[in-house]
Amino acid sequence: EPEVTQTPSHQVTQMGQEVILRCVPISNHLYFYWYRQILGQKVEFLVSFYNNEISEKSEIFDDQFSVERPDGSNFTLKIRSTKLEDSAMYFCASRSESTGELFFGEGSRLTVL
Amino acid sequence: SQQGEEDPQALSIQEGENATMNCSYKTSINNLQWYRQNSGRGLVHLILIRSNEREKHSGRLRVTLDTSKKSSSLLITASRAADTASYFCATDAEGNTPLVFGKGTRLSVIA
Repeated sequence: EPEVTQTPSHQVTQMGQEVILRCVPISNHLYFYWYRQILGQKVEFLVSFYNNEISEKSEIFDDQFSVERPDGSNFTLKIRSTKLEDSAMYFCASRSESTGELFFGEGSRLTVL
Repeated sequence: SQQGEEDPQALSIQEGENATMNCSYKTSINNLQWYRQNSGRGLVHLILIRSNEREKHSGRLRVTLDTSKKSSSLLITASRAADTASYFCATDAEGNTPLVFGKGTRLSVIA
């Protein structure tokens, strides 16, 4: 069964460093998403991406965040200068056009020290 | 905000009992979806119910939707220890807006 894959599974970084989280969405999906979940809290929408551009973003997705689809398969989330409060699980998802269902990756745990 | 809110926040039951979780939301929707999350893992889609549907079944899962009350419920029948997880509802509003998740219900099924 096709799946969304994310790397790395866990990254530890120092405050102020740049981080890139990578995702490979399901190949025939057209909409891609990043969500984040701070430990024990709700799943928060960050950004959606369609046709090689951002289609919607939340208040969390400020100038420190960017997304890119550098080739036909990868979908990346970059945080330019990490803060302590960026520590969270970051989930990538892609959406089935036929059902509207989101398929999530297993997440990348980011720890900012 | 269209955000769904689940109720209760936490639920603990014995194996074999039924578990009911509720979700309320605020705006008009195309559909409402329920997801499950095992601790530290990604979310897994369970079931989708469209705005013109009132009830849907999938295995031991039963979902209802009341658009007049803007609420949904997820019933898990004959629960098993393996059902222990967090359950989230997510609303899909009209237009190509992203799914918005609630805070989830943490279900513990005790063997």
